[in-house]
Amino acid sequence: AQKVTQAQTEISVVEKEDVTLDCVYETRDTTYYLFWYKQPPSGELVFLIRRNSFDEQNEISGRYSWNFQKSTSSFNFTITASQVVDSAVYFCALSEFKTGTYKYIFGTGTRLKVLA
Amino acid sequence: DTGVSQNPRHKITKRGQNVTFRCDPISEHNRLYWYRQTLGQGPEFLTYFQNEAQLEKSRLLSDRFSAERPKGSFSTLEIQRTEQGDSAMYLCASSFLGRQETQYFGPGTRLLVL
Repeated sequence: AQKVTQAQTEISVVEKEDVTLDCVYETRDTTYYLFWYKQPPSGELVFLIRRNSFDEQNEISGRYSWNFQKSTSSFNFTITASQVVDSAVYFCALSEFKTGTYKYIFGTGTRLKVLA
Repeated sequence: DTGVSQNPRHKITKRGQNVTFRCDPISEHNRLYWYRQTLGQGPEFLTYFQNEAQLEKSRLLSDRFSAERPKGSFSTLEIQRTEQGDSAMYLCASSFLGRQETQYFGPGTRLLVL
C-alpha cells in the first residue's frame, strides 16, 4: 500500500531560523513521483516541487531546498532563513506511475508557524 | 494562463439538501481530479476524469456523490441528501497527461452541512 507520513504535526520557529520538514513515503513501485505543496490560510494548494523516482539529485530554489533519499524513502524539505510569509501547512504527496491514474496520496501535513 | 477556478468558494446547507460545485480547469489540461480535505488532514482522492471520461472513483465516493465533466471542460460535483459528515473542503485539480503529471489546484469549495 502507498503511504506518506509527515510525523511533524506543527513546528514553530523564529524568523530567520532554518527549518526542515520531514516526509517519509511507502510504495512498492519503482516509478513514482513526489511532490511538496504549500497551503496558506486561503486554502489553495500551491505547487512547490516535483521529483521522479529516478532523479535523486537534491534541488535548491532560493531559500527552499529538497533532499530526496531513496535508501530511506524520504523527501525532506528545508527552508533557510525562514520568513513570516512561509507560515502555512505544507503537504508531501506521492503519485504512482503504474496505475496511470497519477492520483496523489497526501501526508497529513505539517503546520509551520514562523514568528516575527 | 488562468489557474483552476472553483465556485462557490463557500457553501452552507442544511442536512438533506443537494449541493453542486463547479470546477473550471486550466484550459489545455485534459485531466481533472476531485479531492476532499477534512480539518487537520491531507486531501483525499475522490475521482478523476481524462477528457470527459470518468476513469476512477474512490470508495470514499458514496452513491450520493456524482461527478460529471461534459465535453471535457468544466466539471461538477453533486452531493445529494447531504449529511453532516460531508462537511469538508472540496478541492479540484487539473493536469496535462504527458507533461510531468503535476496537478494544479483550485482554491476549493468549503462546505458546511448544518
